[in-house]
Order: sequence, then C-alpha cells, then structure tokens
Amino acid sequence: GAVVSQHPSWVICKSGTSVKIECRSLDFQATTMFWYRQFPKQSLMLMATSNEGSKATYEQGVEKDKFLINHASLTLSTLTVTSAHPEDSSFYICSARGPSGRAIADTQYFGPGTRLTVL
Amino acid sequence: SQKIEQNSEALNIQEGKTATLTCNYTNYSPAYLQWYRQDPGRGPVFLLLIRENEKEKRKERLKVTFDTTLKQSLFHITASQPADSATYLCALDESQAGTALIFGKGTTLSVSS
Repeated sequence: GAVVSQHPSWVICKSGTSVKIECRSLDFQATTMFWYRQFPKQSLMLMATSNEGSKATYEQGVEKDKFLINHASLTLSTLTVTSAHPEDSSFYICSARGPSGRAIADTQYFGPGTRLTVL
Repeated sequence: SQKIEQNSEALNIQEGKTATLTCNYTNYSPAYLQWYRQDPGRGPVFLLLIRENEKEKRKERLKVTFDTTLKQSLFHITASQPADSATYLCALDESQAGTALIFGKGTTLSVSS
C-alpha cells in the first residue's frame, strides 16, 4: 500500500515560537503533497499544494509567510508554522499523491495528522 | 457557488442494518469521487474511488454509487458493526493533474450493538 507518515503526532508550543511538521511518503514517490487543516467538527480545509522542486501554491486566505512549505524531495514535505499563535491551534494533515499516469495518482494517501496546541 | 453536502452530520443505526450516507454536489464536474473514513484524532483513510463512467463500486461490505445526473453519490455499509462507527467523508476530484481533493464535512456514523 501507500503509507504516509507525519512527525510529530502532537506538539505543544508557546506563542511566538515556530513549529515544523514533517510529512513523508514511505513507500512511494510523491510528486505532489497537500497540507490540510481541520478544526473540531469541521471538514478538512486545503491550505496549500506542494510540488517537489517548486514553490507551494497557497489557497486564498492562507498566509504563505506564516505557513512555510518546503518540498525538497519526492518523499518529504515540511510545513513550518512561524510565530505561532493560539488561533493556529488545529489538526494539520498532509496527504500525498503519486506520479501522474499511474493508478496510485488517482488517490490521495493521508498522514495520521499532527495536533498543534499553541499556548 | 460550489458546494459539497453530506446529508446529515450524524447517523445512528443498529448493528446488522445497512447504513446509507449521501453526498451531493453542485457546480463541480468531478472525474471521480472518493470516500474516506476518519476516526477521531486521525487522518482520513481511503476506502473507495468511483469514476464518472462507473455506476457502482463494491469492496467487501461497502458499496458506492455515483449518479452524475443527480450529482450524487451514495455510500452503503451492509451488515454494519460497532467498529464501523466513524466519520465518513466524501471527496471530489476534478482530475486536473496535481489538484487537491475537495471534501464534504462528513457524516458521523454510530452503530450500536
């Protein structure tokens, strides 16, 4: 199968600090990864699309300077929440999509999520 | 405007019955539709994908239908079990390479024994 991992699974930080979340595709190469945020009892909201070797594409209303995304390899994307504030507390989930032209590209495989709590 | 609606936030059924969840969409032209299961505090897990030219897809106790005329997908769990209790999300894919899925809010299913 296609496995995506995230690290850490949870993090608590003080307001004003930065937090980095890693997303890895373990057994396949992911040309495209996505970052979602989910508040309690809400749907997953897409934050940005991350393509290997190029700049991320952010959704409207998502501050690119606050949520830094790096997709340096075909198996790793990172999301850094800079100068985190309590309103950034949420469940952050990444997903990975396989290379175009293969069956695996039709489905997104999700990581287990990272619970961020900013005090 | 574009919308994806899952008909109810919560669905409670008895063990052994068939659960039917609905997903309706407007102003999208999805090439395929996917269903995911999400447990509390976890990421979504892929269940089934159905393409626009398919009417029905099955996997074990799961069945998905896709009616592009009605702009609706139905997701059925037969012989439901308490372990099926979770939130089920439908997601659209407009099939542009590299595009993200668009999710509904989900239906939380509770199966009581």
